[in-house]
Amino acid sequence: EIVLTQSPGTLSLSPGERATLSCRASQSVTSGYLAWYQQKFGQAPRLLIYGASRRATGIPDRFSGSGSGTEFTLTIGRLEPEDFAVYFCQQYRSSSPTFGQGTKVEIK
Amino acid sequence: QVQLVQAGGEVKKPGASVRVSCKASGYAFSSFYMHWVRQAPGQGLEWMGLINPSGGSTLYTQKFQGRVSMTRDTSTSTVYMELSGLRSEDTAIYYCARSIIDWSLPGYFFDYWGQGILVTVSS
Repeated sequence: EIVLTQSPGTLSLSPGERATLSCRASQSVTSGYLAWYQQKFGQAPRLLIYGASRRATGIPDRFSGSGSGTEFTLTIGRLEPEDFAVYFCQQYRSSSPTFGQGTKVEIK
Repeated sequence: QVQLVQAGGEVKKPGASVRVSCKASGYAFSSFYMHWVRQAPGQGLEWMGLINPSGGSTLYTQKFQGRVSMTRDTSTSTVYMELSGLRSEDTAIYYCARSIIDWSLPGYFFDYWGQGILVTVSS
């Protein structure tokens, strides 16, 4: 099983600031088979990024993904009030998808 | 627009079974896999398995083998997930989630999700 470790656990930032979230895999996620999701309290996750860097339909361009191998990053260019949420990474390098434990982005 | 609508919450006793449903609309039901992902209170996300609505084939993660069954009704575009032998650790929100069918991909990512259904296991 590919284990994903996200850091930090919580990120305290102000609106307008840049957020950088990390996702580290226990083994290489070749071809960038990695996705990112946003989950707001009481809601289902929403797909933001797939293929490590491809934005899903309707996702604003302030969200960007990068990385390869075992290190991946989600960057939120300038935080909007609606961006404060929990973010999960997920690998689909194997037929048994696994998720990271999440990073909470909270208002400072 | 794509919608996945799940049924209401359930409270079950240990040892019982629960069956949750997910009704799809707004797209070609048989052209996408449907998955079940659960989230225990305050915890992360756990993939349980998938069903291919075209033909009904299933794939379950080893953790749930023997306890989970996923079925579909193409006439109503609905998928079902039944989990048996419930224990307190099964208390979670259960989501259905859709993925594309792409044989070039080794795995799955999820572009639409249901709203989730809380299953509580308590004596």
